[in-house]
Amino acid sequence: KQEVTQIPAALSVPEGENLVLNCSFTDSAIYNLQWFRQDPGKGLTSLLLIQSSQREQTSGRLNASLDKSSGRSTLYIAASQPGDSATYLCAVNGAGKSTFGDGTTLTVKP
Amino acid sequence: DTAVSQTPKYLVTQMGNDKSIKCEQNLGHDTMYWYKQDSKKFLKIMFSYNNKELIINETVPNRFSPKSPDKAHLNLHINSLELGDSAVYFCASSHPPGQGIYGYTFGSGTRLTVV
Repeated sequence: KQEVTQIPAALSVPEGENLVLNCSFTDSAIYNLQWFRQDPGKGLTSLLLIQSSQREQTSGRLNASLDKSSGRSTLYIAASQPGDSATYLCAVNGAGKSTFGDGTTLTVKP
Repeated sequence: DTAVSQTPKYLVTQMGNDKSIKCEQNLGHDTMYWYKQDSKKFLKIMFSYNNKELIINETVPNRFSPKSPDKAHLNLHINSLELGDSAVYFCASSHPPGQGIYGYTFGSGTRLTVV
């Protein structure tokens, strides 16, 4: 059974800092890994999708890496802004379903 | 707009009632899902349907019954609602996981409050 853990559960940083969010999973038999953002009271927005054969994906100030053999992914956010404040969820996609971590709640202070 | 759309967005109802949440996707995906996000914000899968057939049922009470009239729709019917059913319910869709190259697209959620 796939288990997904995200560390830290909460993170508060001043504006402009670079930061890393971590996601680990127990079963390396995955198809891909997806990072989502969720704003309070809102739905899920897909940020980045990394295929199991890839090592990283980049979109703007976001960079996601995947090390399937060690069961780890990181989401790197460069030059953080207050608008980045949200909960970031890692989803590991395998046979038939997507298993979510419990999220990291990020607060970027002006 | 290509999307996964859920209705209603908010639902407030009394204990014991029966209610339905509808989900439609126009992305041409074969697989659809229902997820429950509880008060602690943890997302857990409930059901998965591939081409109208149930492929995952994650020990959800049988008061919850998904119905897929076609592969673009997956509705969730809940009988005899209980206080503990209060949560946000998300619908999602994807191409079959075996294709591996696509992620999941989520609807905006239905916030169910049972009073």
